[in-house]
Amino acid sequence: EVQVLESGGDLVQPGGSLRLSCAASGFTFSSYAMSWVRQAPGKGLEWVSATSGSGGNTNYADSVKGRFTISRDNSENTLYLQMNSLRAEDTAIYYCAKAGAVGGTRWYFDLWGRGTLVTVSS
Amino acid sequence: DIQMTQFPSTLSASVGDRVTITCRASQTIISWLAWYQQKPGKAPKLLIYKASSLESGVPSRFSGSGSGTEFTLTISSLQPDDLATYYCQQYNTYPLTFGGGSKVEIK
Repeated sequence: EVQVLESGGDLVQPGGSLRLSCAASGFTFSSYAMSWVRQAPGKGLEWVSATSGSGGNTNYADSVKGRFTISRDNSENTLYLQMNSLRAEDTAIYYCAKAGAVGGTRWYFDLWGRGTLVTVSS
Repeated sequence: DIQMTQFPSTLSASVGDRVTITCRASQTIISWLAWYQQKPGKAPKLLIYKASSLESGVPSRFSGSGSGTEFTLTISSLQPDDLATYYCQQYNTYPLTFGGGSKVEIK
């Protein structure tokens, strides 16, 4: 079955760190760009970060640049998001999403996970 | 950054109605636009990519059109299962950006 499954969400204090994981299965993971998209409670979707299939190219939203790091382990079919210096406004459901086409630099997302909840609060 | 403006933010329609949602980009995105459906408590689901290409498995009552800065998502005959919030997303330029969402309610 083609799927992605996020994990690692938790309650963390402001200034703390967290690492999210996304396990992929059912497709050739290394051929596809992957991304993280978040959704604050009751709000819309916000793109966070993306990485190419090889992991050699990465992009970030200004709101997380310098604090979050996206990476992937193609041997383990897993995507990561290292989140440092967390703020209350980072509280959201974090979705892992697969690019809809092989290669390229323009990505829409055809496969989404169920999401993992990150809560930043003291 | 490219701003994506969706309207209406909420609409209420009857089963069988034709429903149209508009998404406007602050600068041209050619046809690099996707539409997603998000049902309450669920992850988003891709409906349309490249402005008008229907994703496999998506009912044909959904269609997309437009280019440049103005795009529309049309549901030709609204069904009860279409209760959801719909989002557009541009993928012409980083940062990728989403519209604010259009919530569709069934009368």
